[in-house]
Amino acid sequence: GESVGLHLPTLSVQEGDNSIINCAYSNSASDYFIWYKQESGKGPQFIIDIRSNMDKRQGQRVTVLLNKTVKHLSLQIAATQPGDSAVYFCAEPHHSNDMRFGAGTRLTVKP
Amino acid sequence: GAGVSQSPRYKVAKRGQDVALRCDPISGHVSLFWYQQALGQGPEFLTYFQNEAQLDKSGLPSDRFFAERPEGSVSTLKIQRTQQEDSAVYLCASSFNTGTAGNTIYFGEGSWLTVV
Repeated sequence: GESVGLHLPTLSVQEGDNSIINCAYSNSASDYFIWYKQESGKGPQFIIDIRSNMDKRQGQRVTVLLNKTVKHLSLQIAATQPGDSAVYFCAEPHHSNDMRFGAGTRLTVKP
Repeated sequence: GAGVSQSPRYKVAKRGQDVALRCDPISGHVSLFWYQQALGQGPEFLTYFQNEAQLDKSGLPSDRFFAERPEGSVSTLKIQRTQQEDSAVYLCASSFNTGTAGNTIYFGEGSWLTVV
């Protein structure tokens, strides 16, 4: 079936380094993707989104890249900080109104 | 309020007990969602409301799960005769519009249910 999935369940980086979190999707008809950040004990928090007519979108310290050819999505975090430690989810539309989430990647930032 | 508010934050229920989880969405938000998140997993869709209408309940795992939003604002997720596999975080989310593209979904902090 169609699904959203992640390449790596965990990622550990040094403070100040750049982080790259990857996501593969299988529904080629998906036209919108979102990255969420979920800190321990909290609900998912919107980070950045991208529509399928774009291949790159930048936010504050974050960049999302979309490669529709290989159905791959990535989230890049520049100068990773301890406060970036969390689980990151990519999500795509499931039905007309809700989002389907992958299992997530846990990012740990080492001081 | 400023964000999506859920209560209770933590609930321990004995197997077989009924529970009710409340969600106060952001004021004026048309869309309301319930998700279930098991430990170490991503949120799984349960049900969707557009105002007071429950338009999609395809994710509800059994007829023990029931959700309502009678006045198009506050919503309640009810689980009857709870079982251990119901233990999870139940997340409520809301968005201003309908549809997904460009319609940011805001999540509450969740209600953590443990069934013993």
